[in-house]
Amino acid sequence: AQKITQTQPGMFVQEKEAVTLDCTYDTSDQSYGLFWYKQPSSGEMIFLIYQGSYDEQNATEGRYSLNFQKARKSANLVISASQLGDSAMYFCAMREGDAGGTSYGKLTFGQGTILTVHP
Amino acid sequence: NAGVTQTPKFRVLKTGQSMTLLCAQDMNHEYMYWYRQDPGMGLRLIHYSVGEGTTAKGEVPDGYNVSRLKKQNFLLGLESAAPSQTSVYFCASSLLIARGGGNTIYFGEGSWLTVV
Repeated sequence: AQKITQTQPGMFVQEKEAVTLDCTYDTSDQSYGLFWYKQPSSGEMIFLIYQGSYDEQNATEGRYSLNFQKARKSANLVISASQLGDSAMYFCAMREGDAGGTSYGKLTFGQGTILTVHP
Repeated sequence: NAGVTQTPKFRVLKTGQSMTLLCAQDMNHEYMYWYRQDPGMGLRLIHYSVGEGTTAKGEVPDGYNVSRLKKQNFLLGLESAAPSQTSVYFCASSLLIARGGGNTIYFGEGSWLTVV
């Protein structure tokens, strides 16, 4: 069974500094994808970044990067140069069977981390 | 280009009432999903569909029914609402996942349901 663990209920960061949000996962599948989503107070789910289990390089998208350590089964999100607008809930999620396309796209989510950016 | 649209966005129900949430997507996606989000928790999968006329149970299916009579629509029904079904409901749709994965999943904006 899949499981996603986010151990930080809340994180605080000063504006313009970097912050790392932790995510560990558990799966017996060899092929999977890891996602990070941002959920602001307005409630919508905003896709941030994706990492495939077979990707050799860590994913980056602008100020977001994913620190993927396969042996440790961790997929931490790094936000560089934090902005006030980054204050939100952040979710890590996993999708099985990516390479073979057999997962039907189902996601398993962690419990989330609330990030607060201070000016 | 509307993407994934959920209706209604807000609803208050009395215990025992029934209602249907509608999800519509205009991207010709094969896969569609209904998730619920409770306070302090991530999203959990209720039901999903891998194509028109097909549905399957997710992690928390009890108390819900779904139908996918048309490819673009995925309906979530509550036959007899209970306070435990007070939640935020998200619909999502997805492309067939190409080899190599990637982001293929698109979420609706959520529907806030309160059962009193």
